Amino acid sequence: SAVISQKPSRDICQRGTSLTIQCQVDSQVTMMFWYRQQPGQSLTLIATANQGSEATYESGFVIDKFPISRPNLTFSTLTVSNMSPEDSSIYLCSAGTVLTDTQYFGPGTRLTVL
Amino acid sequence: GIQVEQSPPDLILQEGANSTLRCNFSDSVNNLQWFHQNPWGQLINLFYIPSGTKQNGRLSATTVATERYSLLYISSSQTTDSGVYFCAVEDTGNQFYFGTGTSLTVIP
Repeated sequence: SAVISQKPSRDICQRGTSLTIQCQVDSQVTMMFWYRQQPGQSLTLIATANQGSEATYESGFVIDKFPISRPNLTFSTLTVSNMSPEDSSIYLCSAGTVLTDTQYFGPGTRLTVL
Repeated sequence: GIQVEQSPPDLILQEGANSTLRCNFSDSVNNLQWFHQNPWGQLINLFYIPSGTKQNGRLSATTVATERYSLLYISSSQTTDSGVYFCAVEDTGNQFYFGTGTSLTVIP
């Protein structure tokens, strides 16, 4: 199994600023993903974090707004740039190895933008 | 934190058969969701169902919040239904807790 930690667990930010969320896995994993859950909505995939290359973004999400880094097999960051109140959400990272068919999840980061 | 248990852990079905997946959770929750993990590991949301019953095609889900469980029904299963199904709950402090999943294999 894998244990995933996220930092920060929650934050309150001002409009126009940026926040970087960290995701740390206690073992090497192949796949890492970032999700967003806006209030009253379901979890939505933002992007797949690729180790050593640019992330793969889903429709509706762009790199300028959500830059992602994955410098190695155990760590990834998601930045929410130039925030607006509409970015207030829970951001969740997940990780796993496709071969095991098991996905592990971080506890989430609750972001409030004023 | 909340304990989320899913059963069965593994399930093999003949194409066309029906199945019920169960999710038990140990405390009150704000929300509950069912996901299907695709072969690339991505989670595809199936239902957002903190209570009540919802249906979407061959799939339906029921959550009985007072008894702390949820059920996912798959009818007339197809090979494309294969994969891992996750139940996830969100507690009153907005923390997520995921079950360990049910691995479903549908054979032709």
